Amino acid sequence: EPEVTQTPSHQVTQMGQEVILRCVPISNHLYFYWYRQILGQKVEFLVSFYNNEISEKSEIFDDQFSVERPDGSNFTLKIRSTKLEDSAMYFCASSGLGLAERYNEQFFGPGTRLTVL
Amino acid sequence: QKEVEQNSGPLSVPEGAIASLNCTYSDRGSQSFFWYRQYSGKSPELIMFIYSNGDKEDGRFTAQLNKASQYVSLLIRDSQPSDSATYLCAVRRGSQGNLIFGKGTKLSVKP
Repeated sequence: EPEVTQTPSHQVTQMGQEVILRCVPISNHLYFYWYRQILGQKVEFLVSFYNNEISEKSEIFDDQFSVERPDGSNFTLKIRSTKLEDSAMYFCASSGLGLAERYNEQFFGPGTRLTVL
Repeated sequence: QKEVEQNSGPLSVPEGAIASLNCTYSDRGSQSFFWYRQYSGKSPELIMFIYSNGDKEDGRFTAQLNKASQYVSLLIRDSQPSDSATYLCAVRRGSQGNLIFGKGTKLSVKP
C-alpha cells in the first residue's frame, strides 16, 4: 500500500540553525499538509499546500517557516532559525481525489522528531 | 477559537469489553469527523470517518455523530490489548483542509 515517507526520522539542531524536513507524499495525491505535535500535547495544523501554493496556514506558521515542493515528489518544511519551542514531532500528510468517501482521507507519514538544543 | 474536547483518560477496560470514547466540538460548520489511533511515538492512523448523523460501523468499530449536540463518539467492541493507544478525534470544515484535533483519550485494555 502506498505511504507517506519522511526524512530524517530524528533531527537534532542548535538553536538558531536552519532545518529542512522532507516528505514524499503519496504519488497521486494533490493536497499536502504539515502538522506538529509537541510532546504530550495535541496534534496542531501548520500549513496546507495545493496546486503549488499555500492554501491555508495557522498562527503557528509564521515567517520562520516556509514550505516548498521543489520537484514532483518532495514536499519540504523549512524552519529558518530554530527556537527551543520548535522541538516537536513534525508530521507530513497528504490526501487526494478518489472514489466514494475515501477521497479526502489524510494519510500521515511516520514523522520527524525535531530536537532543538 | 475552534475547539475539540476529549476526556484525556486513561480509560481502562477489560479485554473483550466495549470501550466508549467521546468527543465534542465547538465549530458548528464542521462537516467531516475522524477518529485516529496513535501509538506512543508513532503517527496518527485513521480508523473511522463519518459525515452524516447516525452510526457508521466498520468491523469492531462504530462511529456515532450527532451534529445537533456537536458530539462524536467511537465504540470499540471486543476490545483487545492491541487496541491500547491514544484515540484522537479530529474535525474539518470542508471536504479538504486542515484537521483540528483533540488532545486524545488514552485507552488501556487489560488482558
